[in-house]
Amino acid sequence: EPEVTQTPSHQVTQMGQEVILRCVPISNHLYFYWYRQILGQKVEFLVSFYNNEISEKSEIFDDQFSVERPDGSNFTLKIRSTKLEDSAMYFCASSEALVGREDEQYFGPGTRLTVT
Amino acid sequence: LAKTTQPISMDSYEGQEVNITCSHNNIATNDYITWYQQFPSQGPRFIIQGYKTKVTNEVASLFIPADRKSSTLSLPRVSLSDTAVYYCLVGDDKIIFGKGTRLHILP
Repeated sequence: EPEVTQTPSHQVTQMGQEVILRCVPISNHLYFYWYRQILGQKVEFLVSFYNNEISEKSEIFDDQFSVERPDGSNFTLKIRSTKLEDSAMYFCASSEALVGREDEQYFGPGTRLTVT
Repeated sequence: LAKTTQPISMDSYEGQEVNITCSHNNIATNDYITWYQQFPSQGPRFIIQGYKTKVTNEVASLFIPADRKSSTLSLPRVSLSDTAVYYCLVGDDKIIFGKGTRLHILP
């Protein structure tokens, strides 16, 4: 069964540093997403990406964040100048079609980001 | 976006059927209803999706009344491994996760 992969599984960084979280979505999927989940809290939508541009973003996704699909396979989330409160699990997801319209999202295993 | 409401937690015993109901009073005409399961430290996993009436797959059934203002996820004969958080989602191009229902299966 195809799956979404994410690297690294765990990233530790110091406050103020930049991190790049990487995802490889399922190959024939067209829609890509990033979510985060702070420990013990709900999954929060960050951004959706389609046709090489952001289609929607949440209030969380401010200028500190950016996404990119640098080649045909990877989908990255960059966090500039990390803060302590950025510590969370970050999930990448992809879907073949527009979610909510008779399709499902496939989630990756997540990257645990710890900012010290 | 349709807001969803579901019980915060439920307990059940192994071998029982578990029904989790979700309310979504403001569901839009084009919206599908999707349920996800999440184990600790893992990403959410799709369980089932439906638009109306009843949908069944190898994992669960989803019951949706005619007015579509609620839906019920039915898990037949649960086991300890079904202990997880279950999310009901209604939306269009992004998914808004609520707090979900924390299901705890007891031996």
